[in-house]
Amino acid sequence: SAVISQKPSRDICQRGTSLTIQCQVDSQVTMMFWYRQQPGQSLTLIATANQGSEATYESGFVIDKFPISRPNLTFSTLTVSNMSPEDSSIYLCSVDRQPSGYTFGSGTRLTVV
Amino acid sequence: GQQVMQIPQYQHVQEGEDFTTYCNSSTTLSNIQWYKQRPGGHPVFLIQLVKSGEVKKQKRLTFQFGEAKKNSSLHITATQTTDVGTYFCAGRNAGNMLTFGGGTRLMVKP
Repeated sequence: SAVISQKPSRDICQRGTSLTIQCQVDSQVTMMFWYRQQPGQSLTLIATANQGSEATYESGFVIDKFPISRPNLTFSTLTVSNMSPEDSSIYLCSVDRQPSGYTFGSGTRLTVV
Repeated sequence: GQQVMQIPQYQHVQEGEDFTTYCNSSTTLSNIQWYKQRPGGHPVFLIQLVKSGEVKKQKRLTFQFGEAKKNSSLHITATQTTDVGTYFCAGRNAGNMLTFGGGTRLMVKP
């Protein structure tokens, strides 16, 4: 199965600042997915990142708040912009390895103070 | 849109007891996947079920997919402390969209 390296693993940030999360996959993939998992909750899809085109955002998530880059088939970044305490969460990237399911990065635990 | 409901939200069991979590989709699924997330960890894929009525086993874990392909269950026999974590189902619809259930958090008392 795919190996995904995600960083940073955690960060504490001041409100109003931005944080960029990086994910590196050990093989080429067409789509990469970015999820948010609030404490004790399920996974909510933020957006799907395709190489060479703009990311597709789910309802409730906008590009200005969560800009995504996908410069090649093995790498993607998610930026959480102009952060507020409500953005405190775990952010996860993933790839689809059908029929072996989704492989997730180890997650970024973000605390906004 | 597609909704995937999972019950119970939490389950405390004594070590050695059995555990079951149930998943129900508002729409017919093309397949269903199950994941386990250990405390402080990330979700890890366990299995995928595709066929109507399919049953798969992994050691003490038994996974079922309903005949109508709208519901699924995960049963753990004789739980161990290593089973602690949150179990998520995730249903894939015909549009290839994967929707995660709310998860069942399993706690095992030694």
